[in-house]
Amino acid sequence: DGGITQSPKYLFRKEGQNVTLSCEQNLNHDAMYWYRQDPGQGLRLIYYSQIVNDFQKGDIAEGYSVSREKKESFPLTVTSAQKNPTAFYLCASSMDRGPSNQPQHFGDGTRLSIL
Amino acid sequence: AQKVTQAQTEISVVEKEDVTLDCVYETRDTTYYLFWYKQPPSGELVFLIRRNSFDEQNEISGRYSWNFQKSTSSFNFTITASQVVDSAVYFCALSDLIYNQGGKLIFGQGTELSVKP
Repeated sequence: DGGITQSPKYLFRKEGQNVTLSCEQNLNHDAMYWYRQDPGQGLRLIYYSQIVNDFQKGDIAEGYSVSREKKESFPLTVTSAQKNPTAFYLCASSMDRGPSNQPQHFGDGTRLSIL
Repeated sequence: AQKVTQAQTEISVVEKEDVTLDCVYETRDTTYYLFWYKQPPSGELVFLIRRNSFDEQNEISGRYSWNFQKSTSSFNFTITASQVVDSAVYFCALSDLIYNQGGKLIFGQGTELSVKP
């Protein structure tokens, strides 16, 4: 079945450590997104990519990095510079990168905690 | 500035009751899109509906219906005869051409709906 796969489901980070969250999609979507969700809050955009080898900062990009070397993959690295990384991270993709605003499809999320 | 407000943080109803989730949005653009997503306890967001700003027709899909009113900048969601499986967090979201660049969504804070048997 087509969809978005995020891994791992749970992740723990030690002080000063970088960790990478995986996001893979087989929907042949051009655009991919990373969101952060904190308890009782809506989703906030971290980074997005409209095309391979290109990505843009979202509203809360500090302390995070991404790459888009393949259309189907958009990994997110939470660096040691992100002082409050504990959150639920959601990856999404959508069909096109234009203003037609196709619905975004979401993965199951990764829950990141600090040890 | 673009903003989505879901004033109801939590709603609790008994099964078979009707329930309406409110969504109010702000945008300076004349062309925009509104969305509703459902987040069940498992965590993933499930797309429910998308409306564009030029289509004010209300929509019904089974027990779900949506009321879009540009005059009050609202896009409310009603569940008729609620069921326990409707228990989830529901998000309203906005995308417009000013903020759009790549289909970026602005989410409300979500409304947690609890349907008790």
